[in-house]
Parts: sequence; structure tokens; C-alpha cells
Amino acid sequence: GAVVSQHPSRVICKSGTSVKIECRSLDFQATTMFWYRQFPKQSLMLMATSNEGSKATYEQGVEKDKFLINHASLTLSTLTVTSAHPEDSSFYICSATLTVNYGYTFGSGTRLTVV
Amino acid sequence: SQQGEEDPQALSIQEGENATMNCSYKTSINNLQWYRQNSGRGLVHLILIRSNEREKHSGRLRVTLDTSKKSSSLLITASRAADTASYFCATDTDKLIFGTGTRLQVFP
Repeated sequence: GAVVSQHPSRVICKSGTSVKIECRSLDFQATTMFWYRQFPKQSLMLMATSNEGSKATYEQGVEKDKFLINHASLTLSTLTVTSAHPEDSSFYICSATLTVNYGYTFGSGTRLTVV
Repeated sequence: SQQGEEDPQALSIQEGENATMNCSYKTSINNLQWYRQNSGRGLVHLILIRSNEREKHSGRLRVTLDTSKKSSSLLITASRAADTASYFCATDTDKLIFGTGTRLQVFP
């Protein structure tokens, strides 16, 4: 079956620094990737949709200059949290799809803690 | 953006009982999916029901979809302690939007 690898699984960073999270589709070409954020005991909130080679489309209320998304190849998307603050501490999950009817495959998530 | 509202927010039952979770949404959808998430872990895809389907079964899971009411339900029969998790509905409109979730606790 389709596999999406997300790395790192856990990261701790200092306030003011930037952190990059990678999402790779291992056995299929992901034309579209999605990034979600989940705060403790809450649901997954869609942050942005990225198509390979295009600028990401951000959901309302998500700062595009703070959450930089790059989808430069059909197998890799990255999310960079810039100038991280403690309130950015959260669980970030990516998902990837080949086409609308292909289904969505989720990464295992990244727990970010900003200290 | 949040599409689906789920109820109840939390549900506690004994092993062997059935658990029912409901999901309501707001717009037209391609399909609706249910996921499970154990605490602090990734998502597990449970079942997908297409917009032209009304009911679907998978093992101890039964999902219904009523597009006229924009609602879906997930029934877990003969629950087990291992079913303890959070359950989310997600509507597919060319992107997946998750509901608010139900936290299910099954006591042995």
C-alpha cells in the first residue's frame, strides 16, 4: 500500500529558531500534499494544500510567511516553521494523494515543542 | 477550517456495549471517511463511504450516510478496551476536512 514517511517524529527547538519537517511519499508520486496541525485533545486543522511545482494554498488564518511550504518534487513536501514560538508547539501531520480518487495517505506526524 | 461537528464529544462505555458516534457537515462532499487516532499517535483509516452510498460495513464497524441531512454515523459493535481512542469523521471535497472528534473510552 501507499506509504508516507514524515520526519522527524519529535523535535524540540528554541524560541526564535526555524524547524523543517519533511513529508515523503515512498512508493507513489504525490501530486498534492496537505499539512495539518493538531493541538492537544483537539481535531486536525488543515493548514495548507500544496501541489507539486506550485505555491501552496493556505487556509484562512494560517500565516504563510510563518509556515513555509515547499513541494518541489512529486515525492517531497516540506513545512518550515519560522521564528518558532511556544504557541507553535503542536502535532503536525502531512498527507499525500496521487489523484482525487486515489485516497489520502497520512504520515505518522511530528510533535514540535518550542521552548 | 472545520467542516464536521461530532457528537458526543466524549463517550464512556463497558466492553461488549455498542458505541455510536454522529457527524454532521455543511457542504456537498465526494465521500466521507472515518479515522481513529490513539493518544498522541498517527491516524488509522477505518472506512470510506461514497456520497451515493447509504450504508457500509467493515467488521464490527457500520457507517451510515444521509446526504439530505448532511450527517453520518459510526457504530462500533461489541466494543473492546482496545477500541479506546479518538474517532474523527472527515469530509472529502478534494481535500479532507476533519470533524471535531469523539473521545471513546471502553472500560474492561
